[in-house]
Amino acid sequence: DAGVTQSPTHLIKTRGQHVTLRCSPISGHKSVSWYQQVLGQGPQFIFQYYEKEERGRGNFPDRFSARQFPNYSSELNVNALLLGDSALYLCASSFLAVATETQYFGPGTRLLVL
Amino acid sequence: SQQGEEDPQALSIQEGENATMNCSYKTSINNLQWYRQNSGRGLVHLILIRSNEREKHSGRLRVTLDTSKKSSSLLITASRAADTASYFCATDARAAGNKLTFGGGTRVLVKP
Repeated sequence: DAGVTQSPTHLIKTRGQHVTLRCSPISGHKSVSWYQQVLGQGPQFIFQYYEKEERGRGNFPDRFSARQFPNYSSELNVNALLLGDSALYLCASSFLAVATETQYFGPGTRLLVL
Repeated sequence: SQQGEEDPQALSIQEGENATMNCSYKTSINNLQWYRQNSGRGLVHLILIRSNEREKHSGRLRVTLDTSKKSSSLLITASRAADTASYFCATDARAAGNKLTFGGGTRVLVKP
């Protein structure tokens, strides 16, 4: 069975641009969460979606948005990129949207903002 | 901000030795989990311990939880070179909307 997949694997953008990151959950999983991991730090929660509805949002500005599609895949969008948005963006899927569910992480998308 | 703080930040040991790392957190939690991350890639879930549990084992892993001290420890016994990774604790707490909050991690290097 395929695990969580994310695309692209690497991305270079310049300040002010927009970026879209994509995630496909494990088959049968209905919840997708997004995390930002700055180099040398732990992941920080950005969003969680379950059954196409937002179930939680972390402390991130409105430049960050996300959505989940009927096939449970998800997109994370970041507008007006800043240098500080450079990070590894991780997607995780689980069957339910509860914290006790094991979350399965994808390999991440490494974003560099110049 | 991050709920959990791991200690030490980095650890270097020889193959076969035990590795111990600690996690402290600030608010009351429902559960605490430990994850491993190899080379800045995706995280792998290791173990979950509930707030009413004190100790849990999984293979060479032993996790303890002391809710009175708001701390947890992860012990890896008989370490192997393949255990080289960063280890993160993650808590879920009602104060955080029951979402996972990760600590800063402990980088473990196991030398052959």
